[in-house]
Amino acid sequence: SQTIHQWPATLVQPVGSPLSLECTVEGTSNPNLYWYRQAAGRGLQLLFYSVGIGQISSEVPQNLSASRPQDRQFILSSKKLLLSDSGFYLCAWSRGQAGEQYFGPGTRLTVT
Amino acid sequence: AQSVAQPEDQVNVAEGNPLTVKCTYSVSGNPYLFWYVQYPNRGLQFLLKYITGDNLVKGSYGFEAEFNKSQTSFHLKKPSALVSDSALYFCAVRPYSSNTGKLIFGQGTTLQVKP
Repeated sequence: SQTIHQWPATLVQPVGSPLSLECTVEGTSNPNLYWYRQAAGRGLQLLFYSVGIGQISSEVPQNLSASRPQDRQFILSSKKLLLSDSGFYLCAWSRGQAGEQYFGPGTRLTVT
Repeated sequence: AQSVAQPEDQVNVAEGNPLTVKCTYSVSGNPYLFWYVQYPNRGLQFLLKYITGDNLVKGSYGFEAEFNKSQTSFHLKKPSALVSDSALYFCAVRPYSSNTGKLIFGQGTTLQVKP
C-alpha cells in the first residue's frame, strides 16, 4: 500500500529565516506530486506540481520554491520567510490522468 | 474559466437525518469529480470519485454522490448522519483534458452534525 509522509508536523520560524519542508511517498513509482497551502482552515491553494524528477511547475509566483530531487521526494523551500507564508502546507500525490490525489498529514507553519 | 462552487459555507443537520452537501462545477469537456473530507489539523481524505458510468457513486463511510450532467452538479449525500461526520468537505474537479492530475477545489463546506 502507498503512504505519504510530511515533516515536520509543526514549525515556528521567524520572519526572514529559511524554510525546508519535505514530503516523501512510499509504495508507488513516478507519482504526480503537489504542494498546497491552506489558510484559515478553508480553501486550498495549489503552489507547485511535478510530473517527474526535476520537473516543477509553479502555480503562484511568490517567495517559495519546490524541488524534486528523487522520484518520490518533494521539497518546498524558501530563502526568507514572510508573515504571509504562515499556513497549513499539504503535500499530495496521484497516479495517472484519472487518479485521485492522496494527501499527507500536513505541516503547520507559523511565521513570527 | 473552470471552477467549482460549494454554495454553502456550513450545513447543519441532526444526527440520524439525511445530509446533502452541494457542489456545482464549470469545466470544458467531461469532468472527473471528487469529494474529500478534512478533520481539524489533518490532511484531506479521499471519499469518492466519478469518472464515468453510473451517475450514483458510492464511497467511504456510507457517503455517496450523484452526478447530474444537465445541472453540472455533484452533490454529496448520506442517508443517516453521524456526529463523527462533522468535518470540512471539499468538492474537486479535474478537466478530462488535463494530463497533470491537477484538481480544482471548491472553497469547502463545514458539516455540523448535532446529537
